[in-house]
Amino acid sequence: QAVLTQPASLSASPGASASLTCTLRSGINVGTYRIYWYQQKPGSPPQFLLRYKSDSDKQQGSGVPSRFSGSKDASANAGILLISGLQSEDEADYYCMTWHSNAYVFGTGTKVTVL
Amino acid sequence: EVQLVESGGGLVQPGRSLRLSCAASGFTFDGYAMHWVRQPPGKGLEWVSSINWKSDSVGYADSVKGRFTISRDNAKNSLYLQMSSLRTEDTAFYYCAKAFSYDFWSGLNYWGQGTLVTVSS
Repeated sequence: QAVLTQPASLSASPGASASLTCTLRSGINVGTYRIYWYQQKPGSPPQFLLRYKSDSDKQQGSGVPSRFSGSKDASANAGILLISGLQSEDEADYYCMTWHSNAYVFGTGTKVTVL
Repeated sequence: EVQLVESGGGLVQPGRSLRLSCAASGFTFDGYAMHWVRQPPGKGLEWVSSINWKSDSVGYADSVKGRFTISRDNAKNSLYLQMSSLRTEDTAFYYCAKAFSYDFWSGLNYWGQGTLVTVSS
């Protein structure tokens, strides 16, 4: 089982909110991990969006709009990237990442389509 | 403005070696750890290797351990990845990335544009 699991795709309408999940493998407690989120558009490198461990340990990327926010769902053992007020320019692949067992681990990525 | 420019990619035969470089500017290079991350065309991201600010701590993914060597030259603001015994599965875009701080477990914030390595006979 992968360390970080992301749904392959998500579709939503312009102006809607999209909640992207990054589920940690059973036995790994999301509460102790800092989750990073990256956005990648076709033909471009990933760009750092934000990192989130707790409300007192979080950081937004430089120039990243506040409609991108991070959180956790302890009951689901998952990190969450919330995109509010979806815009066509948000159409991209989104990857989560964490530091686990002396290695960086990436999620499989979620392709967000804005209908 | 942080700038990371990778070079050295290209077509190489299986079993051969290749050295990637990353030229950094726009920040105090010797104050930050650095990373290499790769992405096979059309696929997801995979961490490759990291090095701390003074080169006395490095890390490698299991898939490249023993074959790849990361290094840096702070005087030249440059990061390197020496790749040997290359395999077809090493084919990917290779990205250089900057850390948040001097230790490499602090995460990645800025990424270069990447350089493509193709391993094929």
